[in-house]
Formats: sequence, C-alpha cells, structure tokens
Amino acid sequence: AQSVTQLDSQVPVFEEAPVELRCNYSSSVSVYLFWYVQYPNQGLQLLLKYLSGSTLVKGINGFEAEFNKSQTSFHLRKPSVHISDTAEYFCAVMGSNYQLIWGAGTKLIIKP
Amino acid sequence: EPEVTQTPSHQVTQMGQEVILRCVPISNHLYFYWYRQILGQKVEFLVSFYNNEISEKSEIFDDQFSVERPDGSNFTLKIRSTKLEDSAMYFCASSMRGAGGEQYFGPGTRLTVT
Repeated sequence: AQSVTQLDSQVPVFEEAPVELRCNYSSSVSVYLFWYVQYPNQGLQLLLKYLSGSTLVKGINGFEAEFNKSQTSFHLRKPSVHISDTAEYFCAVMGSNYQLIWGAGTKLIIKP
Repeated sequence: EPEVTQTPSHQVTQMGQEVILRCVPISNHLYFYWYRQILGQKVEFLVSFYNNEISEKSEIFDDQFSVERPDGSNFTLKIRSTKLEDSAMYFCASSMRGAGGEQYFGPGTRLTVT
C-alpha cells in the first residue's frame, strides 16, 4: 500500500532564507508524486509533479523538488522564501486507481 | 482558465439529515474525485469516478455515501444520514487522464454537522 510521510508539521524560516520541506513515500506501483499548496482558507493548488524523466522538477512560484528513488524521498525546496509563501504544503503519491494519497502537511511559517 | 466549482461553500446541517454537495468539474475532464479534510487533519481520499461508475473508494466511503454524475456536467456527493464526524471540508477534483494526471481542485464545501 502507498503512504506518504511529511516529517515536519511546521517549518519556521526567515524571509529570503532557503527552505526544504521533507517528504518520504512508499509505493509498490509506478511512482507519481505531487506537491500541492493550500493558502489560508483556500483550496489545493498544484505546485509541481514528478511522473518520470529528470529527477529535478521545477514548479510554480520558484519551487523545485528532487525525486530520489533510493531514499524514497521527494523533498521540496525554494532558495529564497517570501512572506507570500506562507501556506500549508502537502506531498501526495498517486495510488493504483489514480487517487491521491496525502501526507499530513507542513505549515511553512515565514518570519520577517 | 477553466476551473472546478463547488456549491455551497458552507453547509450547516443537523445530525441525521441528508446533504448533497455539488461540483462542476472542468468540462473536458474524464476522471472525478472527492476528498475530505477534517479540521487540522490530512486530506483523505473518498472516491474516484470514471466512465459513469466508481473506480475506487476508501473505507470512509461507506453505505451512507453515494456519488452521481446526473447530467454530464455536475458531480454530486450525497451523505444519507450525516454524523457529527462527517464535519469536514469536502473537495472535488477532476483530471483529464488517470495515470499521472494533474487533479484540479475546487475551493471546497465546508460541511458542519450539529
């Protein structure tokens, strides 16, 4: 069965500092991985996805993620965060019937 | 840009009542999903729907739940007899394809059961 673990429930970081949000997965089928962002009181928006090919995936708003098969990880990174990045970030793996299986989420807290 | 819409944005109902949550997926999408997020918890998959039938459902999706695509544009989730623990944000999503397809999410319906 597939599962996703997001190791940090909250990550505080200073504005303009780099950030990494960690995600580990387990999957017995082809691995399709996603990062979604949820801004306060809003729905879920896709940041980026890994389907195949290059292990470094670039997404919207300057975010990128690296797929690491040997470590079963898909960590999200941004070199310099902005106050507008304050949100909750969810990692998800696609299941065998295309459903998304979600991690618990990581709240990114930007300190001025 | 096309988007998934959901109505109502907020529904308050009494325990034991039936509710229907409505979604209009993106028009050329073929795969449809319902997820829920209880306050402070992770997003959970409920059900997926393709070719006019359920393709997968989670253990949460018991006999109290049903889905329908009645007219080729709407996609509804019905809860027959609501319980307090059904209080959550319910998200509808749609995608063009199954494997690896990006799922586009609606803004959600907040269901409060009193």
